[in-house]
Parts: sequence; C-alpha cells; structure tokens
Amino acid sequence: DTAVSQTPKYLVTQMGNDKSIKCEQNLGHDTMYWYKQDSKKFLKIMFSYNNKELIINETVPNRFSPKSPDKAHLNLHINSLELGDSAVYFCASSPQDRVDGNTIYFGEGSWLTVV
Amino acid sequence: QKEVEQNSGPLSVPEGAIASLNCTYSDRGSQSFFWYRQYSGKSPELIMFIYSNGDKEDGRFTAQLNKASQYVSLLIRDSQPSDSATYLCAVRKLSFGAGTTVTVRA
Repeated sequence: DTAVSQTPKYLVTQMGNDKSIKCEQNLGHDTMYWYKQDSKKFLKIMFSYNNKELIINETVPNRFSPKSPDKAHLNLHINSLELGDSAVYFCASSPQDRVDGNTIYFGEGSWLTVV
Repeated sequence: QKEVEQNSGPLSVPEGAIASLNCTYSDRGSQSFFWYRQYSGKSPELIMFIYSNGDKEDGRFTAQLNKASQYVSLLIRDSQPSDSATYLCAVRKLSFGAGTTVTVRA
C-alpha cells in the first residue's frame, strides 16, 4: 500500500478553472504538507497542517486553499488557475510537528499543467 | 540570500569516482539536515540525515556537517550509473536547495 497517495497524478486544465488535488497518508503521522516544485526543480513548502490545524502558511496566493478533514487527509484546492501554477505538487507527511526533527515522506506528485 | 544554496552543477563523474555535493545554509540555529535523491519524474526520497558536526556514513554515502561554517556536504563513493539523479539538500523540513543533478558516466 502506498504510504502517501495523491490524486490525480496528472492534470491538464485551462486557465481560470478551479481544481483540487487530494492527499491521504496511512502512516499515522500527525503532520502533513504541500510542496510545489517548479520547472527548475526548486522545491518549496506551501502549507503544513498538524492534526488538522494549519501551522505553516508560506507566501502563497490565496487562490490556494488547503483543507484537512482529518489528520490523514490534506487536500489542496486551487481557484482561478494561472499559467504560473503549472508545476508538480507534492504532498508529504511526517511523524512530528516540530520544525526540526524527523524526516518527511513524499507522495508521488501531481503534475499540473495549466494551458 | 537564499536559506539553502547548493553547488549548482550539473555534476558529471565517471563510474567508480567520488561525487561531491555541497550545500550552505543561512540560519545558524538550524539543527537538522537532510539529503534527498530525486530521480527524473519521481518524488524525493531520503538518503541521509545528519544532526551533529562531523561525518556520518551509510554505505557508499557520507554526509558531512560543519555548523560553524554552515555547510553540509554529501559524498558518493564508487559512483554508479544508478546514482544519476538530482540531489536535494534540505534544512529542517521546510527549506530545500535547488538541487544538484549528478550524472555518472559508465
């Protein structure tokens, strides 16, 4: 079974649309994350949730809204998609909520292309 | 200044050689450091973490940490073609470097 799973894996959509990416982890971790990796491979934290509560919200346009219905799920909803949103979005989880500490486990990524 | 900076690469080494990757960080209070490997089209996977000054060895990989100089490095000994990937340095869980792409030539 995949530890951190996200869907869809590939998504092609038009500018202006609204889309969601779902993420689920079966590792029993308390903390989940969304990262964005652009075409230059630069991986950047977007959000972090601990037990359904938002603990990190980096400088991300408010068109991006994370939702955590329970600690095993962290979904990402994106409104009014723009060309610059094209990237790979990685969901991840870790067993601690401290900034320093244990490693993180990544999902397989969701390739978003906005046309 | 970026929080984490890596030698930009790309780095090409012959099979069997040592690949050396370097990373510097700006937050002197950082306590944990990670090296991830990312194959093309795949997600990052952890290969090493280091918390204390000095060297940490795991198989063909050695991580080196120098907190006074604020750098962390990764050595890959006896490089294999399967080591060809992008290596990401991470400080804590939040800040990643831009990655160094390594190609091992057979």
